[in-house]
Amino acid sequence: EVQLVESGGGLIQPGGSLRLSCAASGFTVSSNYMSWVRQAPGKGLEWVSIIYTVGSTYYADSVKGRFTISRDNSKNTLYLQMNSPRGEDTAVYYCARTTGGLVDYWGQGTLVTVSS
Amino acid sequence: DIQMTQSPSTLSASVGDRVTITCRASLTISRWLAWYQQKPGKAPKLLIYKASSLESGVPSRFSGSGSGTEFTLTISSLQPDDFATYYCQQYHDYLYTFGQGTKLEIK
Repeated sequence: EVQLVESGGGLIQPGGSLRLSCAASGFTVSSNYMSWVRQAPGKGLEWVSIIYTVGSTYYADSVKGRFTISRDNSKNTLYLQMNSPRGEDTAVYYCARTTGGLVDYWGQGTLVTVSS
Repeated sequence: DIQMTQSPSTLSASVGDRVTITCRASLTISRWLAWYQQKPGKAPKLLIYKASSLESGVPSRFSGSGSGTEFTLTISSLQPDDFATYYCQQYHDYLYTFGQGTKLEIK
Protein backbone atom coordinates (compact mmCIF):
# COMPACT_ATOMS: atom_id res chain seq x y z
CA GLU A 1 0.00 0.00 0.00
CA VAL A 2 1.33 3.43 -0.94
CA GLN A 3 1.71 5.80 2.00
CA LEU A 4 3.23 9.24 2.41
CA VAL A 5 3.75 10.58 5.92
CA GLU A 6 4.91 14.15 6.39
CA SER A 7 6.59 15.52 9.49
CA GLY A 8 8.53 18.56 10.59
CA GLY A 9 5.89 21.24 10.45
CA GLY A 10 5.35 23.76 13.19
CA LEU A 11 5.89 27.36 14.15
CA ILE A 12 8.87 29.08 12.65
CA GLN A 13 10.04 32.67 12.87
CA PRO A 14 10.49 34.75 9.74
CA GLY A 15 14.06 34.37 8.51
CA GLY A 16 14.55 31.06 10.29
CA SER A 17 14.77 27.60 8.75
CA LEU A 18 12.79 24.38 8.85
CA ARG A 19 13.03 21.03 7.13
CA LEU A 20 9.96 19.03 6.20
CA SER A 21 10.23 15.28 5.72
CA CYS A 22 8.02 12.86 3.85
CA ALA A 23 8.54 9.17 4.54
CA ALA A 24 7.27 7.01 1.72
CA SER A 25 6.27 3.35 1.78
CA GLY A 26 4.87 1.00 -0.82
CA PHE A 27 6.98 2.46 -3.64
CA THR A 28 10.46 3.86 -4.31
CA VAL A 29 10.84 7.63 -4.08
CA SER A 30 13.82 7.76 -6.42
CA SER A 31 11.87 5.97 -9.17
CA ASN A 32 9.09 8.53 -9.15
CA TYR A 33 8.62 12.24 -9.62
CA MET A 34 7.92 13.74 -6.20
CA SER A 35 6.46 17.13 -5.37
CA TRP A 36 5.56 19.48 -2.57
CA VAL A 37 2.22 21.26 -2.90
CA ARG A 38 0.98 23.78 -0.36
CA GLN A 39 -2.29 25.34 0.64
CA ALA A 40 -2.50 28.55 2.64
CA PRO A 41 -5.37 28.72 5.14
CA GLY A 42 -8.64 29.10 3.26
CA LYS A 43 -6.84 29.33 -0.08
CA GLY A 44 -6.22 27.16 -3.13
CA LEU A 45 -3.45 24.74 -4.04
CA GLU A 46 0.00 25.93 -5.08
CA TRP A 47 2.72 23.74 -6.58
CA VAL A 48 5.92 24.47 -4.67
CA SER A 49 8.59 22.18 -6.07
CA ILE A 50 9.23 18.93 -7.94
CA ILE A 51 12.17 16.54 -8.15
CA TYR A 52 12.44 14.21 -11.13
CA THR A 53 13.88 10.71 -11.18
CA VAL A 54 17.11 12.01 -12.72
CA GLY A 55 17.45 14.47 -9.86
CA SER A 56 16.59 17.69 -11.63
CA THR A 57 14.48 20.07 -9.62
CA TYR A 58 12.09 22.94 -10.29
CA TYR A 59 10.57 25.56 -8.03
CA ALA A 60 7.72 28.01 -8.04
CA ASP A 61 8.96 31.58 -8.39
CA SER A 62 7.54 32.33 -4.96
CA VAL A 63 10.07 30.01 -3.25
CA LYS A 64 12.98 29.92 -5.69
CA GLY A 65 16.28 30.56 -3.96
CA ARG A 66 14.80 29.96 -0.49
CA PHE A 67 13.47 26.39 -0.57
CA THR A 68 15.32 23.23 -1.60
CA ILE A 69 13.77 19.88 -2.46
CA SER A 70 15.85 16.74 -2.01
CA ARG A 71 15.53 13.03 -1.32
CA ASP A 72 17.41 10.36 0.60
CA ASN A 73 17.21 7.16 -1.40
CA SER A 74 18.47 5.02 1.49
CA LYS A 75 15.62 6.27 3.68
CA ASN A 76 13.05 6.48 0.88
CA THR A 77 12.28 9.97 2.10
CA LEU A 78 11.59 13.31 0.46
CA TYR A 79 12.58 16.62 2.05
CA LEU A 80 11.83 20.30 1.72
CA GLN A 81 14.36 22.65 3.28
CA MET A 82 12.71 25.98 3.96
CA ASN A 83 15.10 28.88 4.50
CA SER A 84 14.21 32.52 5.10
CA PRO A 85 10.49 31.79 5.34
CA ARG A 86 7.98 34.61 5.12
CA GLY A 87 4.47 35.03 6.44
CA GLU A 88 3.05 34.10 3.05
CA ASP A 89 4.70 30.70 3.34
CA THR A 90 2.23 29.78 6.09
CA ALA A 91 0.35 26.78 4.73
CA VAL A 92 -0.35 23.10 4.92
CA TYR A 93 2.43 21.39 2.96
CA TYR A 94 1.55 18.19 1.15
CA CYS A 95 4.03 15.64 -0.11
CA ALA A 96 2.81 14.23 -3.42
CA ARG A 97 3.79 11.38 -5.69
CA THR A 98 3.59 12.81 -9.16
CA THR A 99 3.08 10.34 -11.98
CA GLY A 100 3.24 11.80 -15.47
CA GLY A 101 2.39 15.22 -14.06
CA LEU A 102 -0.55 14.00 -12.00
CA VAL A 103 -0.66 13.66 -8.25
CA ASP A 104 -1.88 10.13 -7.66
CA TYR A 105 -0.96 9.95 -3.97
CA TRP A 106 -0.94 12.68 -1.34
CA GLY A 107 0.31 12.79 2.22
CA GLN A 108 -1.92 13.98 5.01
CA GLY A 109 -0.21 17.36 5.09
CA THR A 110 1.84 19.19 7.69
CA LEU A 111 1.08 22.74 8.85
CA VAL A 112 3.83 25.34 8.76
CA THR A 113 3.14 28.64 10.48
CA VAL A 114 5.56 31.51 9.94
CA SER A 115 5.17 34.10 12.65
CA SER A 116 7.21 36.04 15.16
CA ASP B 1 4.10 30.07 -16.09
CA ILE B 2 0.77 28.89 -17.47
CA GLN B 3 -2.12 30.49 -15.58
CA MET B 4 -5.27 28.48 -14.96
CA THR B 5 -8.56 30.30 -14.38
CA GLN B 6 -11.66 28.53 -13.12
CA SER B 7 -15.24 29.74 -13.20
CA PRO B 8 -17.33 30.16 -11.28
CA SER B 9 -15.49 30.54 -7.97
CA THR B 10 -18.57 29.39 -6.10
CA LEU B 11 -21.49 27.36 -7.38
CA SER B 12 -24.72 26.70 -5.47
CA ALA B 13 -26.69 23.67 -6.58
CA SER B 14 -29.09 21.01 -5.35
CA VAL B 15 -28.88 17.25 -5.18
CA GLY B 16 -29.77 15.87 -8.59
CA ASP B 17 -28.65 18.96 -10.51
CA ARG B 18 -26.30 18.83 -13.47
CA VAL B 19 -23.38 21.23 -12.96
CA THR B 20 -20.47 22.36 -15.09
CA ILE B 21 -17.21 23.99 -14.02
CA THR B 22 -14.94 25.67 -16.56
CA CYS B 23 -11.17 25.94 -16.56
CA ARG B 24 -9.21 28.12 -18.99
CA ALA B 25 -5.48 28.01 -19.62
CA SER B 26 -3.44 31.09 -20.53
CA LEU B 27 -1.58 29.04 -23.19
CA THR B 28 -2.54 25.93 -25.09
CA ILE B 29 -1.96 22.78 -23.04
CA SER B 30 -3.33 20.19 -25.49
CA ARG B 31 -5.22 17.76 -23.23
CA TRP B 32 -2.78 17.81 -20.32
CA LEU B 33 -5.37 18.72 -17.74
CA ALA B 34 -6.51 17.06 -14.55
CA TRP B 35 -9.37 17.66 -12.13
CA TYR B 36 -9.22 17.10 -8.37
CA GLN B 37 -11.85 17.13 -5.62
CA GLN B 38 -10.98 18.37 -2.14
CA LYS B 39 -13.04 18.17 1.02
CA PRO B 40 -12.32 20.28 4.13
CA GLY B 41 -9.29 19.09 6.06
CA LYS B 42 -8.44 16.42 3.49
CA ALA B 43 -5.92 16.08 0.71
CA PRO B 44 -7.23 16.44 -2.83
CA LYS B 45 -8.37 13.40 -4.79
CA LEU B 46 -7.71 12.86 -8.50
CA LEU B 47 -10.92 12.58 -10.52
CA ILE B 48 -9.99 13.04 -14.18
CA TYR B 49 -6.76 13.13 -16.16
CA LYS B 50 -5.85 13.90 -19.76
CA ALA B 51 -8.93 16.14 -19.85
CA SER B 52 -11.49 13.35 -20.08
CA SER B 53 -10.12 10.08 -18.67
CA LEU B 54 -11.85 8.97 -15.48
CA GLU B 55 -9.58 7.84 -12.66
CA SER B 56 -10.26 4.34 -11.45
CA GLY B 57 -12.99 4.22 -8.82
CA VAL B 58 -14.46 7.62 -9.65
CA PRO B 59 -18.23 7.53 -10.31
CA SER B 60 -19.32 7.83 -13.92
CA ARG B 61 -21.44 10.90 -13.14
CA PHE B 62 -18.15 12.84 -13.37
CA SER B 63 -16.94 13.68 -16.86
CA GLY B 64 -14.41 16.01 -18.41
CA SER B 65 -13.99 17.53 -21.82
CA GLY B 66 -11.98 20.08 -23.72
CA SER B 67 -8.60 20.66 -25.31
CA GLY B 68 -6.25 23.51 -26.01
CA THR B 69 -7.21 26.26 -23.61
CA GLU B 70 -10.78 25.52 -22.52
CA PHE B 71 -11.95 22.63 -20.41
CA THR B 72 -15.02 21.60 -18.44
CA LEU B 73 -15.85 19.29 -15.58
CA THR B 74 -19.44 18.10 -15.50
CA ILE B 75 -21.28 16.27 -12.74
CA SER B 76 -24.39 14.81 -14.31
CA SER B 77 -26.51 14.36 -11.17
CA LEU B 78 -25.17 15.83 -7.96
CA GLN B 79 -24.96 13.56 -4.95
CA PRO B 80 -24.57 14.72 -1.34
CA ASP B 81 -20.95 13.50 -1.33
CA ASP B 82 -20.06 15.79 -4.26
CA PHE B 83 -20.28 19.05 -2.34
CA ALA B 84 -16.61 20.00 -2.17
CA THR B 85 -14.03 22.23 -3.84
CA TYR B 86 -12.78 21.32 -7.31
CA TYR B 87 -9.42 22.24 -8.83
CA CYS B 88 -8.09 21.95 -12.35
CA GLN B 89 -4.34 21.44 -12.91
CA GLN B 90 -2.23 21.67 -16.05
CA TYR B 91 0.71 19.34 -16.59
CA HIS B 92 1.77 20.49 -20.03
CA ASP B 93 4.45 22.78 -18.60
CA TYR B 94 6.97 21.37 -16.13
CA LEU B 95 5.92 24.16 -13.74
CA TYR B 96 2.58 22.57 -12.99
CA THR B 97 -0.16 24.99 -11.94
CA PHE B 98 -3.62 24.76 -10.41
CA GLY B 99 -6.72 26.80 -10.93
CA GLN B 100 -7.93 28.83 -7.98
CA GLY B 101 -10.72 26.37 -7.20
CA THR B 102 -14.50 26.18 -7.47
CA LYS B 103 -16.47 25.62 -4.28
CA LEU B 104 -19.62 23.62 -4.90
CA GLU B 105 -22.19 24.44 -2.22
CA ILE B 106 -25.60 23.08 -1.35
CA LYS B 107 -28.38 25.44 -2.41
